[in-house]
Amino acid sequence: QKEVEQNSGPLSVPEGAIASLNCTYSDRGSQSFFWYRQYSGKSPELIMSIYSNGDKEDGRFTAQLNKASQYVSLLIRDSQPSDSATYLCAVGHTNAGKSTFGDGTTLTVKP
Amino acid sequence: DGGITQSPKYLFRKEGQNVTLSCEQNLNHDAMYWYRQDPGQGLRLIYYSQIVNDFQKGDIAEGYSVSREKKESFPLTVTSAQKNPTAFYLCASSSRQGDSGYTFGSGTRLTVV
Repeated sequence: QKEVEQNSGPLSVPEGAIASLNCTYSDRGSQSFFWYRQYSGKSPELIMSIYSNGDKEDGRFTAQLNKASQYVSLLIRDSQPSDSATYLCAVGHTNAGKSTFGDGTTLTVKP
Repeated sequence: DGGITQSPKYLFRKEGQNVTLSCEQNLNHDAMYWYRQDPGQGLRLIYYSQIVNDFQKGDIAEGYSVSREKKESFPLTVTSAQKNPTAFYLCASSSRQGDSGYTFGSGTRLTVV
């Protein structure tokens, strides 16, 4: 079992729809959770971080964390073609001093 | 502006040759990381360093070497022992514990010719 698992996708949604990206993790001691966006041929960019149970909203993006279920998700409202990218989930444990990345979910938003 | 700079953007390596990828940051971050990404794949950790003069192997360290003589710099050498080095190499930096997320450089594409 991988430490961080994401739906491999690809995920396709129409423009204006809600895109839902999911991630599960195995280390119950994990303390920090991140979503990165990676456009094709580019480097990843941090778009959301979340540290406590519940929802965190930033513009059209909402990160959701449920530590009991070891589950973190990213919702993208009013999806735009410019949101088409690979989204990487990463989980951090302070004692490890590093994050563990999932393999990513590729999202395509169709006009 | 603070950031993390990788160079060169593209690099070509001949068989049996060692090459060094540069990574410099001016974010005053303690920790730095090297990842390898193959087409359509996720990130695989090569080496990381949480403090100057100290570094740890990641999941795929064989055939690679690093140094951390300055806080700002974390160069990666791809040695001739790395038999399949063609990949996209990403350098990142963060606070020492990494609990604020990573800032990535723009990457170096290495190709064996």
